[in-house]
Amino acid sequence: AQSVAQPEDQVNVAEGNPLTVKCTYSVSGNPYLFWYVQYPNRGLQFLLKYITGDNLVKGSYGFEAEFNKSQTSFHLKKPSALVSDSALYFCAVRAHTDKLIFGTGTRLQVFP
Amino acid sequence: GAGVSQSPSNKVTEKGKDVELRCDPISGHTALYWYRQSLGQGLEFLIYFQGNSAPDKSGLPSDRFSAERTGGSVSTLTIQRTQQEDSAVYLCASSSPGQIYEAFFGQGTRLTVV
Repeated sequence: AQSVAQPEDQVNVAEGNPLTVKCTYSVSGNPYLFWYVQYPNRGLQFLLKYITGDNLVKGSYGFEAEFNKSQTSFHLKKPSALVSDSALYFCAVRAHTDKLIFGTGTRLQVFP
Repeated sequence: GAGVSQSPSNKVTEKGKDVELRCDPISGHTALYWYRQSLGQGLEFLIYFQGNSAPDKSGLPSDRFSAERTGGSVSTLTIQRTQQEDSAVYLCASSSPGQIYEAFFGQGTRLTVV
């Protein structure tokens, strides 16, 4: 069965520092991986996705993610965090069943 | 419409009552999902519709929960005999057919069972 793990409930980072939000996955077949962000009292917004090709994927708001097949990971990164990046981040995977399964979410807190 | 539309945005109901939550997907999107999110927590998968295929109901927590999709478009999630633990935000999402496409989410229905 497909699954996604986000091992950190919360990540704290100072503004201007690089950030990483971790995600690992388990699927049979080729994984299709997604990151979403949820700002307070707002719906989920799509950030980026990995389908095939270059392992480094660039998305909205300066975020990027690196697909690592050997480690079955798809960590979200940003070179310089902003206070406005503070939100709840979800990793998701879709495999041959086409069902989109989400991780438990990681709360990112960026401090001024 | 331009996005996924859910109604009502808020619903307060008494324990034991039935409720219906509605989702209007983006036009042309054949895949439709329902998820449940409790108090800013993770997204719990409930059910998935894809075109004319039989829906994947593996996430429905009990037989009090059911969903249908009429004409391959609008979907209704029904919760019978609501319980306090059903209180959550119910999110609907739709996507184009195929694994490579991202899903677009509605704003959700906040259900409170009192």
